[in-house]
Amino acid sequence: AQTVTQSQPEMSVQEAETVTLSCTYDTSESNYYLFWYKQPPSRQMILVIRQEAYKQQNATENRFSVNFQKAAKSFSLKISDSQLGDTAMYFCAFNDYKLSFGAGTTVTVRA
Amino acid sequence: EADIYQTPRYLVIGTGKKITLECSQTMGHDKMYWYQQDPGMELHLIHYSYGVNSTEKGDLSSESTVSRIRTEHFPLTLESARPSHTSQYLCASSRGEGQYNEQFFGPGTRLTVL
Repeated sequence: AQTVTQSQPEMSVQEAETVTLSCTYDTSESNYYLFWYKQPPSRQMILVIRQEAYKQQNATENRFSVNFQKAAKSFSLKISDSQLGDTAMYFCAFNDYKLSFGAGTTVTVRA
Repeated sequence: EADIYQTPRYLVIGTGKKITLECSQTMGHDKMYWYQQDPGMELHLIHYSYGVNSTEKGDLSSESTVSRIRTEHFPLTLESARPSHTSQYLCASSRGEGQYNEQFFGPGTRLTVL
């Protein structure tokens, strides 16, 4: 069974600074996709960024970027220039034939 | 925001009542999912469907049932609600084939069983 581990239950960051969320996963598959989802308070969960395991280049979406280390099975998310609207719970997810989620990291951006 | 809708958003109900949580999407997605999420916790897949007349149980055992008679509609039913069913229920959908495809989530139904 696939497992996804997010070791940081909560993180706090000052507005405009950078925060990095960690995620590790366990799989015996060679091709799969990894995702970071964002769940703002009382709002719908949305996709932040995705990464294909075969691609060595780290994915980037505006202020969001990942550090994908396939051998280490690590998939961290970096949020640069943090904004108040980034306050949310962030879930790392692994997809080979179905989506498995980590326990989530609550990120609070302070003004 | 994604075109996937859930009703009701909040439901408080007594033990033993039958309830149906509604989920509809207007994106024509073949795949639909139900997740259970306790506050501040991870999501657990309880049901999924790959198309009309297709339903499967997920990783987390659930006493709920689902049906998929129409592509756009994926309701979840609890025949006899209990306090242990208190949770948030999230519906999601995605396009057909491919691990690449993201799931689009509804706003969720927060269920409280007294």
